[in-house]
Amino acid sequence: GEDVEQSLFLSVREGDSSVINCTYTDSSSTYLYWYKQEPGAGLQLLTYIFSNMDMKQDQRLTVLLNKKDKHLSLRIADTQTGDSAIYFCAETSGTYKYIFGTGTRLKVLA
Amino acid sequence: DTEVTQTPKHLVMGMTNKKSLKCEQHMGHRAMYWYKQKAKKPPELMFVYSYEKLSINESVPSRFSPECPNSSLLNLHLHALQPEDSALYLCASSRGGDGRVDEQFFGPGTRLTVL
Repeated sequence: GEDVEQSLFLSVREGDSSVINCTYTDSSSTYLYWYKQEPGAGLQLLTYIFSNMDMKQDQRLTVLLNKKDKHLSLRIADTQTGDSAIYFCAETSGTYKYIFGTGTRLKVLA
Repeated sequence: DTEVTQTPKHLVMGMTNKKSLKCEQHMGHRAMYWYKQKAKKPPELMFVYSYEKLSINESVPSRFSPECPNSSLLNLHLHALQPEDSALYLCASSRGGDGRVDEQFFGPGTRLTVL
């Protein structure tokens, strides 16, 4: 099947905003998630958005959803070195089965 | 308690060994998951238990055998593994399907190396 696509790599300077993009596959997906994974660790849930929403803001994180284009983005304001990690989007149209994106490695330069 | 714990953190085993990975959560979640993650790749779903019953098996080879002794515990029994099975094995749990958002919470993983 089709992959949930993300760009492989993003590099930003500390204090700048980061925007990580995701193109998902299933227009019937009901929830879309963003996870963060630091080296050698598990996945940490950052935020999620319901498919009938366009935007969700949670402190430094803003999620935008364009359902027509099946495009999801995660904006991190005032990016810090501790934000360096791999970010995965995930979609689900029902219970249990997540389809994860290919992952974006974010590198924050001091 | 809002975490998923996994033991051991690291495991090295030979192809003839039998070992088990353990996962535990005390959030009252009724769904538990095993994922396999290779380097620089997203997690791949292996098994899902819902209310202690195997709900999804993603065509995983029989050398991986899951077990859910109770609602808080999930095991993965390993036997006759191959070197290509070396990966990070992640456990996750979620509240369980009731139509609402069902976030999965992940453990730190077990780094498995098969020699």
